[in-house]
Amino acid sequence: SQTIHQWPATLVQPVGSPLSLECTVEGTSNPNLYWYRQAAGRGLQLLFYSVGIGQISSEVPQNLSASRPQDRQFILSSKKLLLSDSGFYLCAWTKSRGMGYTFGSGTRLTVV
Amino acid sequence: RKEVEQDPGPFNVPEGATVAFNCTYSNSASQSFFWYRQDCRKEPKLLMSVYSSGNEDGRFTAQLNRASQYISLLIRDSKLSDSATYLCVVILNNAGNMLTFGGGTRLMVKP
Repeated sequence: SQTIHQWPATLVQPVGSPLSLECTVEGTSNPNLYWYRQAAGRGLQLLFYSVGIGQISSEVPQNLSASRPQDRQFILSSKKLLLSDSGFYLCAWTKSRGMGYTFGSGTRLTVV
Repeated sequence: RKEVEQDPGPFNVPEGATVAFNCTYSNSASQSFFWYRQDCRKEPKLLMSVYSSGNEDGRFTAQLNRASQYISLLIRDSKLSDSATYLCVVILNNAGNMLTFGGGTRLMVKP
């Protein structure tokens, strides 16, 4: 069966520090991968998606970046965090068109 | 206009009540539709897909009205454990298979 792992679960980082969040999927190949952010009390905002290794599409211009160094690994990064980067970051995957996503358990990031 | 709109609620209902949520979408080219459930401080989880003919899963019934561009979720015999935020989700038939989420409707079922 397929599983998605996301870590860390919680993170408190100072303004200006770097960020690296990792997401991996097991039990499938060539998944579509996504990073979403959910601010407190708000809806989900798509940040990046990837349909293959090295293929990254950005939906929202900001100080975040994403990379997909391996087929089932998706990384969200920042060189310098802003206070506004605080939120709940969710990685998700899907295999086929028309299928719903499966989300990872999320990382709750607080920038202080 | 938002691509997917939902009444944020909260809907406060007693146990055993029937409650319905509607969701409207703006893009008539939307191809696939889902309801997700999100518990407080947790990730969203797929509740059910929504098919053109309507579909039922236990106490939950989902319907799609393409002409009016809305989908609905009906919950019968509400349980305390149904308390959550319900997210309406649509997919355009694009290469990225991206889901567009509504802002969610919060349901609180009370004893």
